[in-house]
Amino acid sequence: EDQVTQSPEALRLQEGESSSLNCSYTVSGLRGLFWYRQDPGKGPEFLFTLYSAGEEKEKERLKATLTKKESFLHITAPKPEDSATYLCAVSTSGGSYIPTFGRGTSLIVHP
Amino acid sequence: DAGVIQSPRHEVTEMGQEVTLRCKPISGHNSLFWYRQTMMRGLELLIYFNNNVPIDDSGMPEDRFSAKMPNASFSTLKIQPSEPRDSAVYFCASSSRRARETQYFGPGTRLLVL
Repeated sequence: EDQVTQSPEALRLQEGESSSLNCSYTVSGLRGLFWYRQDPGKGPEFLFTLYSAGEEKEKERLKATLTKKESFLHITAPKPEDSATYLCAVSTSGGSYIPTFGRGTSLIVHP
Repeated sequence: DAGVIQSPRHEVTEMGQEVTLRCKPISGHNSLFWYRQTMMRGLELLIYFNNNVPIDDSGMPEDRFSAKMPNASFSTLKIQPSEPRDSAVYFCASSSRRARETQYFGPGTRLLVL
């Protein structure tokens, strides 16, 4: 069974304190790994798709990386507006294209 | 682009009542997904449609849940009868043929069954 595990469940940072969120996965064959951001009371918002080990994507203070077993979402010099829940999802080759979501990491950045 | 539209945004009902949630996907998208999100179970896929046809409903909890997509611009998720354990946030998402795995989510319907 495909599994997606995110850690930590919650993370508190001071503004400017860089850190990383982890998404580890166990799938039969990775087709794609996705990162979403979810603000309170809103639906998840798509951030990145990664397809192969070694691939990196960047957007403002966020950088997503991918290995054969996990993905990291690096947050450089975060600001309070980066506070949100970050969801990771994976889709597998040979099956449907529907991603399986992890439980998310709740990030709070204090000013 | 208006994005995915869901209604109502909030619904409070009593156990045993019928609940109907509505979704309008992004124009031109051919896949539509219904999810349920709770603190206990996270984001769960209930059902998805491709070109208005239900493809996989294995996530639908039980026969009390049903979903329809009569045309490319409208879908409903119905719960009848509703139970307190159905309380959750229900999201609709859509994706395009060119980027099927990139899902665009609506704002959700927060359902409370008393």
